[in-house]
Order: sequence, then C-alpha cells, then structure tokens
Amino acid sequence: GAGVSQSPSNKVTEKGKDVELRCDPISGHTALYWYRQRLGQGLEFLIYFQGNSAPDKSGLPSDRFSAERTGESVSTLTIQRTQQEDSAVYLCASSLLAGKLQETQYFGPGTRLLVL
Amino acid sequence: RKEVEQDPGPFNVPEGATVAFNCTYSNSASQSFFWYRQDCRKEPKLLMSVYSSGNEDGRFTAQLNRASQYISLLIRDSKLSDSATYLCVVSKGGGKLIFGQGTELSVKP
Repeated sequence: GAGVSQSPSNKVTEKGKDVELRCDPISGHTALYWYRQRLGQGLEFLIYFQGNSAPDKSGLPSDRFSAERTGESVSTLTIQRTQQEDSAVYLCASSLLAGKLQETQYFGPGTRLLVL
Repeated sequence: RKEVEQDPGPFNVPEGATVAFNCTYSNSASQSFFWYRQDCRKEPKLLMSVYSSGNEDGRFTAQLNRASQYISLLIRDSKLSDSATYLCVVSKGGGKLIFGQGTELSVKP
C-alpha cells in the first residue's frame, strides 16, 4: 500500500514568510509525528498526534511553529515568520498506535525547507 | 549532554569486514530501543528493534545493556549496500523517538 507522503518535496522561501508543510500518513495509522533534521544532525522530535488525544507539543522550538491534524488523516505543520535557522528537512512519520513498545514508525520522504 | 550519543563517524571499511557501532543513552526511563538506517538524502527506515536479550537478523546483531545504558550494532560480512548512516534511537514510551546524530558507514570494494 501507499506509504507516508509529504508535500512539497522542496520549499524555498524568504525570511519572514509563513510556510505550510503537509503530511499524509499511511491509511489506518492513528499516530502521526513530525521531526526536523538539520544538515548533518540527527532527527529532533517536534510534535505527535494520537487519535483524538491532545497532541504532545513538547518538541516545538518556538511559538512560530504549530501543527494541526484532521481526524486521523492529513496533518499540516505551519512555520510563521520563518528564520534562516528553520532551514532543515521536516520529516513526518506515522504508526498504527503511539506508545506501544517497539511500535514501528514509518517515515515520509520529507520536505526540504530553505529559508533565504 | 545529548540524550543519545553515538560513535563519531565516518567508518570506512572494506567489503567483508565486521563493523561495530556503539551508542549510549542518558535517560534510564527509556523503554524501547531501535537502530534505523538512513541513506543519503532519504528518510530513515527501521533496521531492527533492540531487545533486552539481544537479537540477530541475518548479518546484523543488536545488543542492549540496560545497566550501562549502552546499545550496540554489529554488522558482519559488510556489503557495499550497507553504506549509509546508522541512527541509534530510544523511546521512553508514548511514541516520541529520540535520535542520535548517526554514524556514517562507507563500505569500499
């Protein structure tokens, strides 16, 4: 079946502009995660959604970052007033459930964001 | 101090070599442990979960030492196709994964 998809695959924007990144999880997966990967670094957790529970926003780096999810489907990550330090690959992942030990997360191809 | 720390890379090895990656984690409440593989400019993919008793999948062996908060990955008879970055990952439960910065492996002919 289809994997996790993300759009756009690449985004170049000017400092100060807002950007919106989209993630379509694997159908039937109730948990959805956003991570950020800066060049040469490991992944940083940003936020995750599990069903109708309140999202875990503990990884969002500032109030310029927000995310929404519609039911158990599409999610959008919004970055307001982008800064050059926001340049990174933004990766989305989904899993059947969150919190189950050894639950596998499946990653999308990511959105490469460059802020000029 | 980072929550998950890995050997600095890159590791450059010839085909057929055995290579070992080490990883330490700082949070003793960590419950789940994984190795992910990430090819250049691609998304991470699960290589294997790591169980307390240690586990093997073909040429790959993962070990966990909870007392020392240490995880390892051994690759035997390395292939050119093993060239990638290997990410050590831990979770305290609740779905949030904590990634190490990764160790780059380059297998040469």
